[in-house]
Amino acid sequence: GAGVSQTPSNKVTEKGKYVELRCDPISGHTALYWYRQSLGQGPEFLIYFQGTGAADDSGLPNDRFFAVRPEGSVSTLKIQRTERGDSAVYLCASSPGLARYNEQFFGPGTRLTVL
Amino acid sequence: GNSVTQMEGPVTLSEEAFLTINCTYTATGYPSLFWYVQYPGEGLQLLLKATKADDKGSNKGFEATYRKETTSFHLEKGSVQVSDSAVYFCALSDNYGQNFVFGPGTRLSVLP
Repeated sequence: GAGVSQTPSNKVTEKGKYVELRCDPISGHTALYWYRQSLGQGPEFLIYFQGTGAADDSGLPNDRFFAVRPEGSVSTLKIQRTERGDSAVYLCASSPGLARYNEQFFGPGTRLTVL
Repeated sequence: GNSVTQMEGPVTLSEEAFLTINCTYTATGYPSLFWYVQYPGEGLQLLLKATKADDKGSNKGFEATYRKETTSFHLEKGSVQVSDSAVYFCALSDNYGQNFVFGPGTRLSVLP
């Protein structure tokens, strides 16, 4: 079956612009995670959804970052007034339930470059 | 807060050598522990996991034992292959499957 998909695969934008990154999880997975991975680092947790609600958004670095999952499936990560430091690979993962017991399935990521 | 520390890479081994990648953690409560692997050109995928103390996770010849007394989850394989070349990430989650924390990753290169 289809895995987790993310679009676009690459996004180049200018400092100060607004961007949206999309994640399509595996059908039926209730849990959805967003991470940010900088070069040579491990993924850094941003936000976790259980269904439509953000169960934990403690990893969002500041109020320029926001994510939604209005129907409990597709999620969009939104970044306002982008900065050069936002450049990274943004990863999405989904899980059939609590990731404590269930495997997270990762998408290929969106590489964001802020010029 | 929770944290994960891994041995720094890169690690370069000859085929059939023994592999250990050290991982230690700091966490409150009873976290679950994971090893994820990223093969060249591919996304992250789960390699193995352990959800309570003394559990041993195993997959594809890799093993790791959840040691609460030493707060460790070291990855081992008795005989590595060239196809094991990848970046390995140790990770933990809290009791609720939240607060996922990944280590920085260890790059393994296996030479024929």
